[in-house]
Amino acid sequence: DIQMTQSPSSLSASLGDRVTITCRASQGISNYLAWFQQKPGKAPKSLIYAASTLQSGVPSRFSGSGSGTDFTLTISSLQPDDFATYYCQQYHTYPLAFGGGTKVEI
Amino acid sequence: EVQLVESGGDLVQPGGSLRLSCAASGFTFSGHGMHWVRQFPGKGLEWVSGIHWNSGKIGYADSVKGRFTISRDNAKNSLYLQMNSLRPEDTALYYCAKDIGPRVAGIDYWGQGTLVTVSS
Repeated sequence: DIQMTQSPSSLSASLGDRVTITCRASQGISNYLAWFQQKPGKAPKSLIYAASTLQSGVPSRFSGSGSGTDFTLTISSLQPDDFATYYCQQYHTYPLAFGGGTKVEI
Repeated sequence: EVQLVESGGDLVQPGGSLRLSCAASGFTFSGHGMHWVRQFPGKGLEWVSGIHWNSGKIGYADSVKGRFTISRDNAKNSLYLQMNSLRPEDTALYYCAKDIGPRVAGIDYWGQGTLVTVSS
């Protein structure tokens, strides 16, 4: 099974900061990688699929990159609404797998 | 507007069974793969199971294989998860999620979840 490792598990940042979260797959997954945002008490929200394609309505300050085993989610200028937990997920092969999450705090 | 509404969560004893349902609307249900994802209290996300548009391919997490069964009824726009031999470690909020494509192309919409508690 493919394992997904996210880093860091948490980070502190300020409004306007550039934030980068990394996700590593235990084997190559091409670009079958998605990113999700979750706020406390809410369902996850889909941000990015195919490693770099923004879901409809997602602000352009979010971007994704990578292929193979190494991927990044970047928030170019952190906004108040962005403080949340972020998860990556591989969907290359069943069973699908999420990373452990990265909590972005003030 | 895409809507996914889960139901069926409950308190059940270890070894018991439960059937979760997900009622879908706002899109062509028969044209999309579907998934169940769970979240343990205060913890991260775990993918549970997925099913292609025509039930032609199904996948399970190792932790539920042999105990859980995913199914769908395209005529009723509904997704199901039959959960047998439940364990305390299955206690979680269970989300229904829609795939972008007919097979597996990434999740784009999520329901609000239904809570399953396994305890004596």
